[in-house]
Amino acid sequence: QVQLVQSGAEVKKPGSSVKVSCMASGGTFNFAVSWVRQAPGQGLEWLGVIIPTLDRTHYSMRFQGRVTISADESRRTAFMELSSLESEDTAVYYCVRDCGAASCSGVSSGDAFDLWGQGTRVTVSS
Amino acid sequence: DIQMTQSPSSLSPSVGDRVTITCRASHSISKWLAWYQQRPGKAPELLIYQASTLQTGVPSRFSASGSGTEFTLTITSLQPGDVATYYCQQYNTYPWTFGQGTKVQIK
Repeated sequence: QVQLVQSGAEVKKPGSSVKVSCMASGGTFNFAVSWVRQAPGQGLEWLGVIIPTLDRTHYSMRFQGRVTISADESRRTAFMELSSLESEDTAVYYCVRDCGAASCSGVSSGDAFDLWGQGTRVTVSS
Repeated sequence: DIQMTQSPSSLSPSVGDRVTITCRASHSISKWLAWYQQRPGKAPELLIYQASTLQTGVPSRFSASGSGTEFTLTITSLQPGDVATYYCQQYNTYPWTFGQGTKVQIK
């Protein structure tokens, strides 16, 4: 049973960058991965998706130019890098298996965001 | 971007009550809507996809319906473990977008 295991909490200075990893443990890595964040006490916000089988990414325009999503299939790991950090970027960042962006046939009978990582807390503070 | 609007923002029913949450999309999204449950301090979990299909393992007291721009999530008999915030999400058109959430607490 595949799990998405994310890297640990980060504390960053304003203006710096953060890179969060997400490893598919216990299974193959042949599905799309989206990144979603949740600021303290707030709702869910989608940042973007990578579809490794198509070598394609889509980003929210709100983060275009600041976010880079990548994947290393040999390491079964996806990455999300966010630059020019501000205090408003303080949030929990989740990676999710995105069966809406690309079919998960063969790895899941589900759809949409059917598997979530445990979340990575990123704190931006001077 | 497609805007997703949930109502109500919060509610406090009693155990055993029927609960209905509504989600409206600013443009038609056909059946490409999902519902998630987020218990306090936890990551969200998928409840429903393609507007009305129950995710494997989700109790049958959860059901959902709708298409186009109007969708509903129903909990037929609320249980204490259903205390959570519920989010709808469209995955018809990029960027994927979420509703603002509906917080369900027990009276």
